[in-house]
Amino acid sequence: DSGVTQTPKHLITATGQRVTLRCSPRSGDLSVYWYQQSLDQGLQFLIQYYNGEERAKGNILERFSAQQFPDLHSELNLSSLELGDSALYFCASSARTGITGELFFGEGSRLTVL
Amino acid sequence: DAKTTQPNSMESNEEEPVHLPCNHSTISGTDYIHWYRQLPSQGPEYVIHGLTSNVNNRMASLAIAEDRKSSTLILHRATLRDAAVYYCILIDYGGSQGNLIFGKGTKLSVKP
Repeated sequence: DSGVTQTPKHLITATGQRVTLRCSPRSGDLSVYWYQQSLDQGLQFLIQYYNGEERAKGNILERFSAQQFPDLHSELNLSSLELGDSALYFCASSARTGITGELFFGEGSRLTVL
Repeated sequence: DAKTTQPNSMESNEEEPVHLPCNHSTISGTDYIHWYRQLPSQGPEYVIHGLTSNVNNRMASLAIAEDRKSSTLILHRATLRDAAVYYCILIDYGGSQGNLIFGKGTKLSVKP
């Protein structure tokens, strides 16, 4: 158990819809990262937040957005969903201070868009 | 971050040692070498990391070449549970925000 909690574990929705994925980081971790994993693209970094502020941005589509709340949990919002958005979405958190290269990943949220 | 090159796949027999190679010829002096693995249907998990010296922990050993242009993750006795995709990742702590950039990794199969 990494200590990172993601909900929901599975989600099935239709094209054009909007969903929200939630992540609770390890207790005290200030950084939260979101990754997308699809069969053809591998693990792609989407976005990182540190203590409520956006810290780094990767290959995140404009239809996707994220935020980190004062209690440090994070949400990833996916809108105008397309078939190609079907993937596993992972959240990770990292050390309370500094950069150590050690991220703790949740078990992921599997999104299926029909 | 510098690029790494790993074989797409490797096979091992259970209870035998496994040596997973990683080439990183453009590594900079401040890049740390990290290994992660991803078991089926799970998120990636940290395995080990190092800078210049060889490293050991309860999961594995990391052997780093003297010129740092390559490294090898060593699983001393592979078990069926070690079947996973193994990722070699370079991180410059000073130049990074902490996010990891994953390549395709090496898919390790372990035969009983």
